[in-house]
Formats: sequence, structure tokens, C-alpha cells
Amino acid sequence: EPEVTQTPSHQVTQMGQEVILRCVPISNHLYFYWYRQILGQKVEFLVSFYNNEISEKSEIFDDQFSVERPDGSNFTLKIRSTKLEDSAMYFCASQTGGGYGYTFGSGTRLTVV
Amino acid sequence: DQQVKQNSPSLSVQEGRISILNCDYTNSMFDYFLWYKKYPAEGPTFLISISSIKDKNEDGRFTVFLNKSAKHLSLHIVPSQPGDSAVYFCAASNLIQGAQKLVFGQGTRLTINP
Repeated sequence: EPEVTQTPSHQVTQMGQEVILRCVPISNHLYFYWYRQILGQKVEFLVSFYNNEISEKSEIFDDQFSVERPDGSNFTLKIRSTKLEDSAMYFCASQTGGGYGYTFGSGTRLTVV
Repeated sequence: DQQVKQNSPSLSVQEGRISILNCDYTNSMFDYFLWYKKYPAEGPTFLISISSIKDKNEDGRFTVFLNKSAKHLSLHIVPSQPGDSAVYFCAASNLIQGAQKLVFGQGTRLTINP
């Protein structure tokens, strides 16, 4: 069964540092997403990406965040200057489109200290 | 933002019985609904979905019911098994857009007792 792969599984970083979370979506998928879940809270949409550009972003996705699909296989989320409140599980997802094949990765736990 | 609500944070069911998980939504533009199951330290795993043109969708032990007039959906698991113990999230989206942003509920922790 095809998978969405995320690395690393756990990242600890100091406040103010830049982090890059990496994802390898399913190869024939067209739509790519980042979500996050702060401990004890609901899963929240961050950003969607299609045709090499952002199609929608949430209020959370401010100027500190950016996404990139640098080589046609990886999909990355960069947080430029991390804050304590960025500590969360970050999930990457990819999708074929039209409501089908929406698959999540197992997540990266980001801890900002 | 409470567009999707799961009012029961937890549910405990005897093995072999029916588990019913409920979800309410407020945004009438939602036209596609999904249920995900999540274990600790894992990503959400897709279970079953339903579009707004249907009122029921069944897949094995899982059935989702949609009541559009009440803006309510439910997931039925019959019979419940110990491996079903997990957190269940309902999610809603609007398929008009190409990229499909999901709006999640808070989740219901289901515990199946042997």
C-alpha cells in the first residue's frame, strides 16, 4: 500500500531556530497538504499546494512558514524562526484529487525548547 | 472556529456491540465528509467517506450516515472489536475547490472493552 513518508519522526529545536520538515508524498498524487495538531487539540489545516503553488493557507500559516516541492518528489515545510507555540505534531498529506486518496503521513513531532 | 464538532470526547463500548460516533457541522457548504482513525504517534488513517448526495455509505463493519437537514453524521461500527480502540475524527470539506482542505472535529476516544 502506498505511503506518505515523513522525516524526521521527532525534531527538537531551540526557539528562534529554523526547521525543515520533510515529506515524500505518494508518487501519482497531485495535491499536497500540511496539517498540525497541538497536544490535546484538533488537527488543523495549514496549507495546500497544487501545481507548484500554494492554493490555500490558514491564518496559522504566516510569514514564518513556507512550503516547497524542490525536486518533484519531496514536499517540505519550513518554519523560519520557531516559537514555543509551534510545538506540535505536523502531518503531511497527499491526494489524487476529487475527494479520493487523501492519505496522511505518520507525522513529525516538533518540540521547541 | 467550531465548524465541525464531536461533542463526545470519549466512548466506551463492549466488544461485539455497536459503536456509534457522532459529528455535527455548521457550514452548509460542506459536501464531503470523512472519518479517520488515529492511534497515538501515528497519522490519521482514512476509514470511510460520504458525499452529500448520499445518506449512507457502508464498508464492511463501518457505516456512515449523513443527515443533511440536521447537519449531522454518524459512524457505526458493528461489531466492535478491541482493535477499534483509537481516537476517531470526523472531517468535512468542500469539493468545489480543487485542493480539498479538511476541517476536523475534536475527536472521540473510543475504547472497546473485552
